[in-house]
Formats: sequence, structure tokens, C-alpha cells
Amino acid sequence: DSGVTQTPKHLITATGQRVTLRCSPRSGDLSVYWYQQSLDQGLQFLIQYYNGEERAKGNILERFSAQQFPDLHSELNLSSLELGVSALYFCASSVEFGGLAGSEQYFGPGTRLTVT
Amino acid sequence: GENVEQHPSTLSVQEGDSAVIKCTYSDSASNYFPWYKQELGKRPQLIIDIRSNVGEKKDQRIAVTLNKTAKHFSLHITETQPEDSAVYFCAASKGTGRRALTFGSGTRLQVQP
Repeated sequence: DSGVTQTPKHLITATGQRVTLRCSPRSGDLSVYWYQQSLDQGLQFLIQYYNGEERAKGNILERFSAQQFPDLHSELNLSSLELGVSALYFCASSVEFGGLAGSEQYFGPGTRLTVT
Repeated sequence: GENVEQHPSTLSVQEGDSAVIKCTYSDSASNYFPWYKQELGKRPQLIIDIRSNVGEKKDQRIAVTLNKTAKHFSLHITETQPEDSAVYFCAASKGTGRRALTFGSGTRLQVQP
């Protein structure tokens, strides 16, 4: 168990709908990353939040958004869903103090999204 | 941006043999290189990592080597066991600015008993 939790575990919804995925980081971790894992695209970075603020964006669709709340949990909102966004969505957390070296990222169990 | 290439895509070894997975990266500013193991339907699990100020790191049967000049790093698993069977991902990130991981495409390791 990494200490990172994600809900729900599975989500089945129809095209055009909107869903919210939730992530709680490890105790003490300030940074949350969202990744998408699909068969054809592999593991891809979507977005990062650090202590409530957006830090970096990757290959995230415009109709997707995220936020990190004062208690440091994060939510990923996916709207106008299409079949192509069916995938496993992981969040990862890290401490990320200052300094030059990267920090370990620990992954949650993921949310499997199926759009029908 | 960063690009990470990983080889081979599949690897089958006999129990007790060694396995080597290789990755190359494109951005010379990358300085953190973790390896993750992912079993079917499970989360990626960090198994070992290396930073650019170190050339080699070992943890029991697992070791990682880094060649900054050639921009490649490798995972070595010795005395493989059936429970090592999984998909292994390499990744790279920079220490400043964007610290998100750029992943390789994964290697499916099958250890035959």
C-alpha cells in the first residue's frame, strides 16, 4: 500500500457525461500528479498540483480540469466524455521539497474509467 | 520535451537467469530516473531510482546503472523469480520546473519457472 488513495475504483459512464475522480495524497506530501494509462498511449502525464496551485500541464484535454483543495486532496474533472478517454487514471504524490533532484512519486491504485 | 525510449518490449527468461532492460532519454537536463513495476490491473510500484550524481545503485537483486554521457540507463535483475513477472517502466524527470515523469513504453518480463 503506497498511502495514496483514489476513488472510485471503477467508473462506467456514457459519452457526453461528466465525472470526477478523487485522490488523497500520502500524509505530508504536497504535490499531486495525474497520469492517464491507455493501451495505445502508455503512461502519460496530465497535470500537477503543488500545495494547492497548478504547477505543470501535460497532455491534458481542454475539457478536463483539476484542482487541489486546502486539505491537499485533488480532483480530476472529465467532461464531454468520448470513447477515446476510457483508460486507467492514476494519481501520484510526492514530497517535493526544494533542491535539484527529483522526488519519489508514489502511485494510488487508480480509477478505471469506461465510457460506453 | 523529454522522450524516453525503452527496450525490449517483451523479455522472457528462465528462473534464475538475469534480465536487463534498457532506456534512453533525450533531455540532458533530466536528473532523476525511477523504475516502476506494474502487475496486471495494479498501480505502478517504485522499485528503485537513481539520480544523476550517481552512476550505479543496487538493492538486493535489483540494480540500476546510469550513463549520463550516452543518456541511457538500465535495470538489472539477477536471480529472477516467477514473482518478478510484470511490466517494468523506466521514467525520467528534471529536478526543477516540470518534475512530472516521462515514461518509457514498458517491458513485459516473463520469468519461466
